[in-house]
Amino acid sequence: EPEVTQTPSHQVTQMGQEVILRCVPISNHLYFYWYRQILGQKVEFLVSFYNNEISEKSEIFDDQFSVERPDGSNFTLKIRSTKLEDSAMYFCASSEVRSTEAFFGQGTRLTVV
Amino acid sequence: DAKTTQPNSMESNEEEPVHLPCNHSTISGTDYIHWYRQLPSQGPEYVIHGLTSNVNNRMASLAIAEDRKSSTLILHRATLRDAAVYYCILETGANNLFFGTGTRLTVIP
Repeated sequence: EPEVTQTPSHQVTQMGQEVILRCVPISNHLYFYWYRQILGQKVEFLVSFYNNEISEKSEIFDDQFSVERPDGSNFTLKIRSTKLEDSAMYFCASSEVRSTEAFFGQGTRLTVV
Repeated sequence: DAKTTQPNSMESNEEEPVHLPCNHSTISGTDYIHWYRQLPSQGPEYVIHGLTSNVNNRMASLAIAEDRKSSTLILHRATLRDAAVYYCILETGANNLFFGTGTRLTVIP
């Protein structure tokens, strides 16, 4: 069964450092997303991406965040200058078309120290 | 964010059916009703979705009220692997999912 893969599974970084979280969506999917979940809290939408551009973003997705699809298979989330409050599980998801099943990866646990 | 209301927690005995309710009284005509679940330490997993008619798939059934202001996710025979947090989400057309706090389902052996 096709799946969304995320790397690394766990990343520890120092406050102020840049991190790049990587995702490989399912190959024929056109819509890509990032979500995050702070420990013990609900899953929060960050950004959606379609046709090589951001289609929607939440208030959380401020200027320190950026997304990119650098090639035909990867989808990345960059956090420019990490803060302690960025510590969370980050989930990538993809879907074939709108309003259908979204497939989530297993997540990257980001710990900012 | 489109609003849904779910009970915080529910319990079920193993191998019995489970009915997980969701209220969405402010739903608009084009909103899809999605259900996802999150097992411990895993990413969310799609369960089922629908617009107006009841839906069945290999995981569950979705019963949608005629006025669409509520829906029920039905697990026909709960197993221990079904223990998870279940989220009822209105998808407003942009395909972005706004998760609430969901219903934590405990399955009792």
